[in-house]
Amino acid sequence: GAVVSQHPSRVICKSGTSVKIECRSLDFQATTMFWYRQFPKKSLMLMATSNEGSKATYEQGVEKDKFLINHASLTLSTLTVTSAHPEDSSFYICSARDPRTSGRDNEQFFGPGTRLTVL
Amino acid sequence: AQTVTQSQPEMSVQEAETVTLSCTYDTSESDYYLFWYKQPPSRQMILVIRQEAYKQQNATENRFSVNFQKAAKSFSLKISDSQLGDAAMYFCAYEESGYALNFGKGTSLLVTP
Repeated sequence: GAVVSQHPSRVICKSGTSVKIECRSLDFQATTMFWYRQFPKKSLMLMATSNEGSKATYEQGVEKDKFLINHASLTLSTLTVTSAHPEDSSFYICSARDPRTSGRDNEQFFGPGTRLTVL
Repeated sequence: AQTVTQSQPEMSVQEAETVTLSCTYDTSESDYYLFWYKQPPSRQMILVIRQEAYKQQNATENRFSVNFQKAAKSFSLKISDSQLGDAAMYFCAYEESGYALNFGKGTSLLVTP
């Protein structure tokens, strides 16, 4: 299957700083990527849908100014947690849809996730 | 909004035995996709099996099979000949074509020797 990478795999930062997480589709072009957040022993909650060349669509309750999403190319979406605070500590996962399989297998491919710890 | 319900927070099965994980969902759509994902301690999401709603035949992938009851909006996962490596969190997920996945709360599966 297609491969999606995330960088960094884990990051520790001080409260008030900003952190950028990258999500890359390595062997396909993804017009749409999704960002999820997962708390310990909880399910994945959709934060936003990232569309190449346009503004991201955020889910209700997700602060747009806190979680900045940029999908500047067909293989890269970034999530920037601005002015991070301890409550932003979580596991962030991205996924990308391979348009070559859309409507046929319709599979999303997940990155390995990024563990963010804000001190 | 579509909801996905997994009523079993934890399940346990003995090695080589069979276990069934339950999932129900709510939707007014007729065309959609259903998935079971496995999340081991590494937290990498692994697709176990998928089902397209318009297909009546239940999907099967080796030791994994589903019982898809569209009218009842039920989508259970059966794991046969359970192995120690099957121990993980299992998430049921719903998707309308082109949209994001909507996950259930998950079932933690423990496999005992």
